[in-house]
This record gives sequence, structure tokens and C-alpha cells, in this order.
Amino acid sequence: KQEVTQIPAALSVPEGENLVLNCSFTDSAIYNLQWFRQDPGKGLTSLLLIQSSQREQTSGRLNASLDKSSGRSTLYIAASQPGDSATYLCAVSRSNYQLIWGAGTKLIIKP
Amino acid sequence: DGGITQSPKYLFRKEGQNVTLSCEQNLNHDAMYWYRQDPGQGLRLIYYSQIVNDFQKGDIAEGYSVSREKKESFPLTVTSAQKNPTAFYLCASSIRDRHLEQYFGPGTRLTVT
Repeated sequence: KQEVTQIPAALSVPEGENLVLNCSFTDSAIYNLQWFRQDPGKGLTSLLLIQSSQREQTSGRLNASLDKSSGRSTLYIAASQPGDSATYLCAVSRSNYQLIWGAGTKLIIKP
Repeated sequence: DGGITQSPKYLFRKEGQNVTLSCEQNLNHDAMYWYRQDPGQGLRLIYYSQIVNDFQKGDIAEGYSVSREKKESFPLTVTSAQKNPTAFYLCASSIRDRHLEQYFGPGTRLTVT
């Protein structure tokens, strides 16, 4: 059974710092992995999607990596800003229609 | 603007009552999904529908029911059989062959007392 873990559950850093969020999964047989952002009391926005054949994806200040063999993904945020404060969730696909979700990391960027 | 709407944003019910959560999309997506989100846990799939008049159970369908009579709408009923209904409910949709690229609504927070 696929399980997705995100550690830490919460993270607080000063503005301007670079930071890394972690996501691990137990079954390396995945179709892809996605990182989402969720603002308080709101829906989710997809940030980056990495196909199983890819090693990383970049969008602006965000870079996501994928290491299937070790069951790990990281989301790197460069030059963090207060507007980056949100909960970040990762999800892996176990088939062509279902996602398995981590519980998320709540990120607070202090001005 | 195209998107997914969920209403209401907050919903309060007494224990033992059924309640229906609304989800509407104007993205012309074939597939729609319902998730439940609890503190400290990942999203869990309740039901999904790949096409009108068809839907399948997700991981935690017990105590819930859905219908898909129109492409744009996928309402979720939380029945009195659901033991712990208080949660944040998220609806999503996707193009039929791109299930892994889901667009999410803003969610409904249901509180049952």
C-alpha cells in the first residue's frame, strides 16, 4: 500500500532564505508526483508535476526533484517571500486516475 | 472565468441529518472528484466520476452518496451513516484522459454537532 509522508509538518523561516520541503513515498512504482499549494481554508493549486521518467521540474523560484529509487521528492523554494506562506502538499499517482496524498507541510515565512 | 465552485463555504448540521454539498464546474471537464481533508492527514478520495451517469467509489465512500446527472455538476450527500462527517470537503475536476491534472474548488467546511 502506497503511503506518502511529508516531514516536517510545519516550518517557519525568515524571509529571503532558501528552503527545502520533503516528501517520501513507500512504493517506487508511481506514474508521477505533484506538488500543490493550499492557502488557509481554500482549494489546492498545482505547482509542479514531475513525470516518473523525469528527475526535476522548475517554475520560477520553485524546483522539484524526484528520486524514484529512494522514494523521495524535494521542493526547493529560493529567496522565500511572505506570500509563499501556505501549506504544501505532495501527491503521487498510483494509477491513471487516483492520487495518494501526503498530509502537507505548513510553511510560514516571517517578514 | 472558468472554474469550480463549491457552496456553501461553511455548513452546519445536526447529527442524524443528511446534507448535500454542491460542486459545479464550467471547465467542460468530463471527470470530477470528491475528497475529504482532515487535520494532519492527506486528502482521501470519496467518489469520482469519469463521465455523466457513471461514478465509482474511492477509498472512503461509506456514508456518502453522489450523483452525476449533468456534466457540470457532481453533488455529494453526507448521510447520517457517516460516523465522523465533520471535515473539509474538496471537489476537483479534470479532462477525462488527464486525471492526474486536477483543478480544485475552494472547498466546503462541514461541521456536524
